[in-house]
Formats: sequence, structure tokens, C-alpha cells
Amino acid sequence: RKEVEQDPGPFNVPEGATVAFNCTYSNSASQSFFWYRQDCRKEPKLLMSVYSSGNEDGRFTAQLNRASQYISLLIRDSKLSDSATYLCVVSINTGGFKTIFGAGTRLFVKA
Amino acid sequence: GAGVSQSPSNKVTEKGKDVELRCDPISGHTALYWYRQRLGQGLEFLIYFQGNSAPDKSGLPSDRFSAERTGESVSTLTIQRTQQEDSAVYLCASSLFPGSDTEAFFGQGTRLTVV
Repeated sequence: RKEVEQDPGPFNVPEGATVAFNCTYSNSASQSFFWYRQDCRKEPKLLMSVYSSGNEDGRFTAQLNRASQYISLLIRDSKLSDSATYLCVVSINTGGFKTIFGAGTRLFVKA
Repeated sequence: GAGVSQSPSNKVTEKGKDVELRCDPISGHTALYWYRQRLGQGLEFLIYFQGNSAPDKSGLPSDRFSAERTGESVSTLTIQRTQQEDSAVYLCASSLFPGSDTEAFFGQGTRLTVV
């Protein structure tokens, strides 16, 4: 079983739609959680951290459920520019901390 | 620039040859990662360096792959006797310290094509 699992998609949505991505992680030593965004043929970049209380950044809302080992990302009012691959990321305590990336969920927002 | 720098940006090599990929992390970053990304696929963890600790090599796919890092500076990923399935983008990332809450910054990758 992969340490971080995501639905690969693709998700095809119209502009203005609300879309949600889910992610599960298997290692209970996971301590920090993130969503990264990767544009086509570009390197991944941090989108937002995910906190236990849930957090919001504009149209983006991230939530964490430690009991279920589940993370989500909600995008409201989708824009064409949101088209990208969204990577779920966990940081695992291995003595130090190792960052594990999920395989990503592709999103296509269409006019 | 102050970002993660990788070289070369593109490499075409013949099957069976050895290649060496280089990563210059952000100055002061103690943690360094190598990932592989095949076309249309997600990131595949290869190896993780954390300061002067023994590296986590659990992601290296075969003994043809090796990586080194001197202290907290440059890292090189070496692939011996390259195969066509090694064709991918190799991404390097670094983070300030191996804490749980630190952002990983990526280089732009080396696109390796084995012909």
C-alpha cells in the first residue's frame, strides 16, 4: 500500500464549479500535511499547509482528519488558471522528517 | 538566483552509458531529496539526505542508482548503465531543516532521455 494515496483523476470541471480532492495516508507517524500544485512541465510548488483545525486561503480550503488519516482540498469558484496537478504531501517522523508526495490529482477547468 | 539549481536541464544519453545529475540546494538547507517523475506520472521518491545522517535510500529502484552529498552542499545522482525505462524528469528538492513543518523547494529538474 502506498503511503499517500490520491485519486489520479482527471477532474474536468467548468469555470465556477466547486471541486474537492481527497487524500489518505497510511503512516500514523505523519505529522505535517501540505498541498502542492504542479503545473504542466513545471516543478511542484507549495499551495498551502493543512492544519488540524482546517484552514482557508481565499478560494482554497484544506482539512485534516487525523482519526481517519484523511486530507482534503476544496476549490471554490474554479478558474481556468486552477488547471494543474494537485499533490497531497505528508511529512513523516522517521527520526528526522521525510516528505512523501502523493502521485497527484489532475484538474482541468474548462470555459 | 537563490533557488534550487539542477544541471543539466536536459540530457540525452545512449542506453548503457552512465549519467550524473547535479543538484545545488538552497544555501543553508540541510534536507535534500531526489524524486523521479515519468511522463504523465506522479513523483517517485528516490533518496533523502538529512544533514550528516545516513541517507534514506529506500526509494532507489536498483543498484544502478546511487547518490552522494557532501555535507550540506551539492548532491549528485548517478545512474549507471542507463536503460530506456530510466527516461524521466529527475527533480531535486531541499528544505531548511528536517523539521515537520518546512516547505520543500524544487529545482526545475533534469529531463533525461535514454535512446
